[in-house]
Amino acid sequence: AQSVTQLGSHVSVSEGALVLLRCNYSSSVPPYLFWYVQYPNQGLQLLLKYTTGATLVKGINGFEAEFKKSETSFHLTKPSAHMSDAAEYFCAVRAWFSGGYNKLIFGAGTRLAVHP
Amino acid sequence: EPEVTQTPSHQVTQMGQEVILRCVPISNHLYFYWYRQILGQKVEFLVSFYNNEISEKSEIFDDQFSVERPDGSNFTLKIRSTKLEDSAMYFCASSLVGGGPHEQYFGPGTRLTVT
Repeated sequence: AQSVTQLGSHVSVSEGALVLLRCNYSSSVPPYLFWYVQYPNQGLQLLLKYTTGATLVKGINGFEAEFKKSETSFHLTKPSAHMSDAAEYFCAVRAWFSGGYNKLIFGAGTRLAVHP
Repeated sequence: EPEVTQTPSHQVTQMGQEVILRCVPISNHLYFYWYRQILGQKVEFLVSFYNNEISEKSEIFDDQFSVERPDGSNFTLKIRSTKLEDSAMYFCASSLVGGGPHEQYFGPGTRLTVT
């Protein structure tokens, strides 16, 4: 069985500060990992994904995430927050294979607020 | 850029009524999905659909739910007799390829309120 835990339902940072959104996963098989962002009144948009190979993954809008198997983590970071980064962020996992290979398992989401 | 669209954006219905939520997936995609998010809870998988049949469904997707692709463009979720606990945001998604690392593209959601 797979699951995702996002630590912190709300995170608040100052503009220009480091953004760190935490995601830990549980998976009995090698996972594919995703970060999605949801802006107000919009759908979920893919920020980045980990498949295989390089454990540091770069995504859109300056975000990146590092897959750490030993820590079962896939934390999302951005060196310098911008006001436009204010949104809700979802971490998700999917199994490589076996039953359930289609569905995404989501975390509860983290709402990021950026203040001047 | 192609996108998934959903209508209506907000649906209010009375308990026991049938509702149909509509989605137009990206035109060349082959896999279609419904997810829902009850307020304050996680986004949960409901069902995936491929080649005109359900390929996978969760335990949430009971006999009250059904999906259909009535024509070449629409993908619908029907709830036969709504309950208060069906109140949630419902997201439609589509992908060109199923499973693995392939991205699912999400619509903006339909907020369903059951009174």
